[in-house]
Amino acid sequence: NAGVTQTPKFQVLKTGQSMTLQCAQDMNHEYMSWYRQDPGMGLRLIHYSVGAGITDQGEVPNGYNVSRSTTEDFPLRLLSAAPSQTSVYFCASSKDPSNGRYFGPGTRLTVT
Amino acid sequence: AQSVSQHNHHVILSEAASLELGCNYSYGGTVNLFWYVQYPGQHLQLLLKYFSGDPLVKGIKGFEAEFIKSKFSFNLRKPSVQWSDTAEYFCAVNPLYGQNFVFGPGTRLSVLP
Repeated sequence: NAGVTQTPKFQVLKTGQSMTLQCAQDMNHEYMSWYRQDPGMGLRLIHYSVGAGITDQGEVPNGYNVSRSTTEDFPLRLLSAAPSQTSVYFCASSKDPSNGRYFGPGTRLTVT
Repeated sequence: AQSVSQHNHHVILSEAASLELGCNYSYGGTVNLFWYVQYPGQHLQLLLKYFSGDPLVKGIKGFEAEFIKSKFSFNLRKPSVQWSDTAEYFCAVNPLYGQNFVFGPGTRLSVLP
């Protein structure tokens, strides 16, 4: 199993540009989520999904969209990038919400 | 809203020293508790977890943690650290059947050879 994969690993955007961060898992996990990691703040939940077709907002959802059309994929879209979205983004999955999360390798995003 | 605090921002130890990293959470109900480790440049990996039963749980790489319900604490311990334990450690809390997995701010551990 590849586990949780994320692409790209690094990305630089200009303010106002849009892009999609890809996340896929091959463990047949129903629960997937996106976090951002900023120094001294731990990981903060952006959006999550409890199954295909079902998504919900986390702690810091503004400026981000998600969709879940399949069990395997959970892309995160930045609609109009802002410097405040400079961060490391981690996708995670688990069998159910109560279980520990399996994390992807992360995407380091810089918005100039 | 639930929150997780970690006592130390940065801990510096010499090899073979004992380690204890503090974690406290604020949530009145039943919770699942986790410790994650993030080695430099890598993603988070699960060290150990507590769901129920024996409050002393053992994880990978010689780590253990003790859940003290009355103190809302879940401290991580290791009797003798190695240089390879240099990493950032995150405590996380998830209410039973809850959706929201809350992380603490992390503790950076530096182990000097």
